[in-house]
Amino acid sequence: KQEVTQIPAALSVPEGENLVLNCSFTDSAIYNLQWFRQDPGKGLTSLLLIQSSQREQTSGRLNASLDKSSGRSTLYIAASQPGDSATYLCAVKEDIIQGAQKLVFGQGTRLTINP
Amino acid sequence: IAGITQAPTSQILAAGRRMTLRCTQDMRHNAMYWYRQDLGLGLRLIHYSNTAGTTGKGEVPDGYSVSRANTDDFPLTLASAVPSQTSVYFCASSADRASGELFFGEGSRLTVL
Repeated sequence: KQEVTQIPAALSVPEGENLVLNCSFTDSAIYNLQWFRQDPGKGLTSLLLIQSSQREQTSGRLNASLDKSSGRSTLYIAASQPGDSATYLCAVKEDIIQGAQKLVFGQGTRLTINP
Repeated sequence: IAGITQAPTSQILAAGRRMTLRCTQDMRHNAMYWYRQDLGLGLRLIHYSNTAGTTGKGEVPDGYSVSRANTDDFPLTLASAVPSQTSVYFCASSADRASGELFFGEGSRLTVL
């Protein structure tokens, strides 16, 4: 059974720092990995999607990497800002049954950027 | 603005009552999903649909049913609500069920008393 783990569960850093969030998964048979952001009381906003054949994706100050063989992904945030404060979740897409797929989510990392 | 619309945003419900959570997307995505999010348990898949007319069970389907009469709508029904179904429910969709990016609605917060 696929398990997705995110460490640390919470992280607090001063504004301006570069930081890395970690995500690990137990089964490398995935279609893709997706990073989301969730603000309190809100839905999930997709940040980056990495297909299983890709190594990394970049969007603005965000860079996500994927190493399927080791079952790891990282989300790098450059020059952090208070507006980056949120919970960040990673999820892997895998097969369930008869051609259907689902996302398996990690528990998330709650990030606080201090002004 | 294109996306996923969920209704209601929030609802308090007496145990034993029937409730339908509505989900509509205007992106013409084939695949749709219902997840529940609970503190300490994360997001868990309830039901999914790969295309109009087909549905399937996820990790926690008991007590829930879905239908997919057309591409845009994917309602989730609780036939007889119980307190353990108190949760935040998220509807999601994807253009391509295998490799596509998943988009989420804003969620429906349901409290069953």
